[in-house]
Amino acid sequence: AQRVTQPEKLLSVFKGAPVELKCNYSYSGSPELFWYVQYSRQRLQLLLRHISRESIKGFTADLNKGETSFHLKKPFAQEEDSAMYYCALRRGRRALTFGSGTRLQVQP
Amino acid sequence: GAGVSQSPSNKVTEKGKDVELRCDPISGHTALYWYRQSLGQGLEFLIYFQGNSAPDKSGLPSDRFSAERTGGSVSTLTIQRTQQEDSAVYLCASSLDLAGGLDTQYFGPGTRLTVL
Repeated sequence: AQRVTQPEKLLSVFKGAPVELKCNYSYSGSPELFWYVQYSRQRLQLLLRHISRESIKGFTADLNKGETSFHLKKPFAQEEDSAMYYCALRRGRRALTFGSGTRLQVQP
Repeated sequence: GAGVSQSPSNKVTEKGKDVELRCDPISGHTALYWYRQSLGQGLEFLIYFQGNSAPDKSGLPSDRFSAERTGGSVSTLTIQRTQQEDSAVYLCASSLDLAGGLDTQYFGPGTRLTVL
């Protein structure tokens, strides 16, 4: 069975500092990996997907199959980045398997 | 356009009562998902509907939980004989069910269920 692990429940950084939210997965096939974000009092929404290899709001995430990781990174954190971040895996046409989430707090 | 909507936004019920939670997906989305968000449990998959296929019920925690999707659109999640551990935010999502990592699930605002 697939599993997604986010080891940090809370990550607190100062504005302008680099951010790395860790995500590791276990799945024997070719995974589809995503980062979803939930800002305060807003809906859960897609931030980025591994297949697009894009930068969204300054965030990037690279799939490392050797380390089975999909860490989310941003070089300079902003206060508006404060939110709950979920790493998720999809196996074929199925529902998402989410990690337990990491709360990012960016302090001024 | 309108996003995924859910009703009610909040539901308080007594232990042992039945509850129904409703989800209106985005028009044209063939896939509909129910998840549960509990404190300390993260986001937990419950059930997945795709077109006319049999639903994937593998995430339902007990036979007190059931869901249906009528006419390929609106879905209702029913919890019978509610227990205190059922207290959570129930999230609905819909998507076009694209393959190859291209799919995007759009989430509703959730229904916060409190069982007293």
